[in-house]
Amino acid sequence: GAVVSQHPSRVICKSGTSVKIECRSLDFQATTMFWYRQFPKQSLMLMATSNEGSKATYEQGVEKDKFLINHASLTLSTLTVTSAHPEDSSFYICSASSRLSNQPQHFGDGTRLSIL
Amino acid sequence: AQTVTQSQPEMSVQEAETVTLSCTYDTSESDYYLFWYKQPPSRQMILVIRQEAYKQQNATENRFSVNFQKAAKSFSLKISDSQLGDAAMYFCAYKTEDAGGTSYGKLTFGQGTILTVHP
Repeated sequence: GAVVSQHPSRVICKSGTSVKIECRSLDFQATTMFWYRQFPKQSLMLMATSNEGSKATYEQGVEKDKFLINHASLTLSTLTVTSAHPEDSSFYICSASSRLSNQPQHFGDGTRLSIL
Repeated sequence: AQTVTQSQPEMSVQEAETVTLSCTYDTSESDYYLFWYKQPPSRQMILVIRQEAYKQQNATENRFSVNFQKAAKSFSLKISDSQLGDAAMYFCAYKTEDAGGTSYGKLTFGQGTILTVHP
């Protein structure tokens, strides 16, 4: 089946650092990728939707200057948390879908981000 | 906008027994998809079952089945012969069928239900 690879799986860094998370679709063309944030025992909160070759659409309340999303190709989207602070610590999950097939979203395994 | 509600924050079941997780949703659309995802402690999102709204027949995947009531906008998940490996957080999700727009494939999730399986 389709696979989405998310890297890194775990990041621990100091406050003020920028962190980049990659999301790759390995065997299909991901026309749309989604970035979620999840707190413990809570639901997935959609942060933004990115379509290949265009600017990301951010959900209300999500700072676009803090969470930079790039979707430059049909197989790669990146989320950069700029100048990260402890309150940005969370679990981030990406998923990918394709207009070319009627398959459900395929999720990455997530990234646990810890800002000290 | 669509909303998905899971009214059971936590549920528990004895091994080998049956448990039903509830989900209701609100939409003005007639065509859409519904999903149940499982998220074990590893936090990997695993698709359990999907249902197309135009299909009257309830979806079934081995021990997992749904009771889809379109008029009532209800989509419950039944787990039969529960196993210890079924312990996880379960999410109900809605997806529009509309292939246009910039939010194609966008999922709306419920709050989740934590399922505990007792040996």
